[in-house]
Amino acid sequence: GQNIDQPTEMTATEGAIVQINCTYQTSGFNGLFWYQQHAGEAPTFLSYNVLDGLEEKGRFSSFLSRSKGYSYLLLKELQMKDSASYLCAVKSNNNDMRFGAGTRLTVKP
Amino acid sequence: DSGVTQTPKHLITATGQRVTLRCSPRSGDLSVYWYQQSLDQGLQFLIQYYNGEERAKGNILERFSAQQFPDLHSELNLSSLELGDSALYFCASSVVGGSSYNEQFFGPGTRLTVL
Repeated sequence: GQNIDQPTEMTATEGAIVQINCTYQTSGFNGLFWYQQHAGEAPTFLSYNVLDGLEEKGRFSSFLSRSKGYSYLLLKELQMKDSASYLCAVKSNNNDMRFGAGTRLTVKP
Repeated sequence: DSGVTQTPKHLITATGQRVTLRCSPRSGDLSVYWYQQSLDQGLQFLIQYYNGEERAKGNILERFSAQQFPDLHSELNLSSLELGDSALYFCASSVVGGSSYNEQFFGPGTRLTVL
């Protein structure tokens, strides 16, 4: 089976940096995804990691350590519009995609 | 706009009833995924179809079924509805279904309310 854990809520200040952690246990690993979801809206793709290391995409970066079952999403230069839920999702070898419960990030001025 | 369309946007029905949710994937996408999102459970993967065939199965109840048609649109059928089935149902699509890289584009969702 799969367990995906991430903090329920986080708060950060506009302009700051925030790191959202995700730990997972899976039987067969085929990639880790981060999605952003604003309340009442559809999730939107942010990043994908399948190999260890850091993937950078503008203000967002995502890191993966497969041996530790660990990933983080790093958001730099926070903006008010970054207030949203951030979902960590793991794909297993049988294409089953499991999402964590999400981390609700609140950015304050 | 992701290019994935879902109908209807809202659906209100009674317990014991049956409903059908429809999804049209982005042009060129062969894979369709269905998810259920309720307040207390987060986003739950239900089922995936690739080019008309079932590819992966998640936490889908036996009362639920899905199919993907030759034109690649998909339908999710929910029967013997219970109050607990009230949720937001998302459809997502991707180009392929079997490769590792599998960016999924989500539709706007169908909000189902069971009274």
